[in-house]
Amino acid sequence: EVQLVQSGAEKKKPGESLRISCKISGFSFTNSWITWIRQTPGKGLEWVGRIDPSDSYTSYSPSFEGHVTISADKSTTTGYLQWASLQTSDSGMYYCARLRGTKIGTRVAPGEIDYWGQGTLVTVSS
Amino acid sequence: DIQMTQSPSTLSASIGDRVTITCRASQDISHWLAWYQQKPGKAPNLLIYKASNLETGVPSRFSGSGSGTEFTLTISSLQSDDFATYFCQQYNILWTFGPGTKVEIK
Repeated sequence: EVQLVQSGAEKKKPGESLRISCKISGFSFTNSWITWIRQTPGKGLEWVGRIDPSDSYTSYSPSFEGHVTISADKSTTTGYLQWASLQTSDSGMYYCARLRGTKIGTRVAPGEIDYWGQGTLVTVSS
Repeated sequence: DIQMTQSPSTLSASIGDRVTITCRASQDISHWLAWYQQKPGKAPNLLIYKASNLETGVPSRFSGSGSGTEFTLTISSLQSDDFATYFCQQYNILWTFGPGTKVEIK
């Protein structure tokens, strides 16, 4: 059974650091792409970035690049999203998810999201 | 950046109604579009991928069509389990979601 189990809700102050996790099981960690999505009432669903756990290649949304870091640990099949210095605008529900491979010509590229974690609520407030 | 819009933002319908939601992309995304259903407190769930392909396990009353910049999601006969919010998402260049369409009980 495919499972993406995320760490629990976090309450932090501006300027603090944070790392949230996504434990993956039921599919090949190194033959998949893991992505992070933020959902807020004001901006809806926003793509944060993705990682290829096989080589740790990452790609970020311009809106998040430089402010978050996505990583993956092959030994524990766990993905991470971290902040060095949180801002109040980072508050929201964060989902990890799997990008399914889609064939484009002769290669396979990350496509639609077929499995999601349950979400981690991050609240940043002074 | 590719921007996605959806219409309507809210839709009131009755059980058995045929429902259509429209999604538009700010530039040509070919058929690289997915539709998701989200219920309160839950993660989204994949319904349609590559514009018109029904995800395994999704009821056949859901269908998707379109290509380029205009796409539709149709529910042929609305059931009680279908009252939810629906999002489109492009994955031609990076990933971008539409703002959502909430389907409410009339």
